[in-house]
Amino acid sequence: DTGVSQNPRHKITKRGQNVTFRCDPISEHNRLYWYRQTLGQGPEFLTYFQNEAQLEKSRLLSDRFSAERPKGSFSTLEIQRTEQGDSAMYLCASSPTGRDEKLFFGSGTQLSVL
Amino acid sequence: RKEVEQDPGPFNVPEGATVAFNCTYSNSASQSFFWYRQDCRKEPKLLMSVYSSGNEDGRFTAQLNRASQYISLLIRDSKLSDSATYLCVVRGGTSGTYKYIFGTGTRLKVLA
Repeated sequence: DTGVSQNPRHKITKRGQNVTFRCDPISEHNRLYWYRQTLGQGPEFLTYFQNEAQLEKSRLLSDRFSAERPKGSFSTLEIQRTEQGDSAMYLCASSPTGRDEKLFFGSGTQLSVL
Repeated sequence: RKEVEQDPGPFNVPEGATVAFNCTYSNSASQSFFWYRQDCRKEPKLLMSVYSSGNEDGRFTAQLNRASQYISLLIRDSKLSDSATYLCVVRGGTSGTYKYIFGTGTRLKVLA
């Protein structure tokens, strides 16, 4: 399978707990993105990396959210002290550099905070 | 004002109809433009890029008007399988950025 892979597919947690999601991009893609999507809305940009460098982070992202891509391959998104409002689908996408700049998405991680 | 705005719909059209979706973006420095399709409970998938000269892919035609900051998608001869949410996507706005901004999506339902 050469697509974008996300784990876990579903996560149920209690309010106040920390959660971590993983994304494995398409292997030759240098850019990696995290988005959040709630019902009836389009994906909301959270952050993106080029290789291991985090180049942009949404101003809407509270300091409870952190993302890493330590070796420029897979990435993790951690949410600390989860709140019910964090319940959403978290989507990861990757894209190559160069002219073919399209985003390719993983299947997402559905987070439910109880 | 949202960076990318779309009419959320839903658009309910009969099979065989032609339907058009519009999208406006706020940042005149935006670099690239796309339409993505998203089926219920699935991830978005690229439908087509949008070029300044306009482009066509089978029954789908995309247009870009940079002066009006406006993107459109036309679907001819609608099929039941076209039922989905169509997301307008804009990249850039600041030189060198590869940040992609999505609209809220327009829901299409094609009726038999």
